[in-house]
Amino acid sequence: NAGVTQTPKFQVLKTGQSMTLQCAQDMNHNSMYWYRQDPGMGLRLIYYSASEGTTDKGEVPNGYNVSRLNKREFSLRLESAAPSQTSVYFCASSELARGRGAFFGQGTRLTVV
Amino acid sequence: KNEVEQSPQNLTAQEGEFITINCSYSVGISALHWLQQHPGGGIVSLFMLSSGKKKHGRLIATINIQEKHSSLHITASHPRDSAVYICAVGSDKLIFGTGTRLQVFP
Repeated sequence: NAGVTQTPKFQVLKTGQSMTLQCAQDMNHNSMYWYRQDPGMGLRLIYYSASEGTTDKGEVPNGYNVSRLNKREFSLRLESAAPSQTSVYFCASSELARGRGAFFGQGTRLTVV
Repeated sequence: KNEVEQSPQNLTAQEGEFITINCSYSVGISALHWLQQHPGGGIVSLFMLSSGKKKHGRLIATINIQEKHSSLHITASHPRDSAVYICAVGSDKLIFGTGTRLQVFP
């Protein structure tokens, strides 16, 4: 049981490049999330998906797009990376509405130069 | 003002000490979460609670819904407890505090 698998773990991009962060969960959760974590700040929600086929913006969606490919997978795309997107990104899944906690991927440390 | 406030921001302790980390929130919630993040970066869910108290090993979490306050206690602290402890609230989306960095020295 792998839980939440997130790739890659590290990435360096040049300004303007694009990339996709992949996330998959094997717990049959409906809800999936993408967060970013910056020094001195709490985790901030970028996008979330309450169920397959639905996505909603979070607190900091600008510069990102997401795809809920199926119930297992939720990807985050940076179309044109900017230095302000240097951060650690976490994918998570949960069934909060059913009283179950959230499970997190190991994180992706992204640097945009 | 942040919707979720944690205190203290940093905490150092000697092995064996009793630790308390506090979390106050200003939004209505259905549940509160305590999470642990180790230096390697991984985040682990410790507790999810909506009332009363939960205990797991040396960790105890309490919540007072009326006062919008929760505490995480660690009894007989150990260096391996050194981590960042994060409080989060929400029902379908989580709002996170900035975390409390705990260092326990032998």
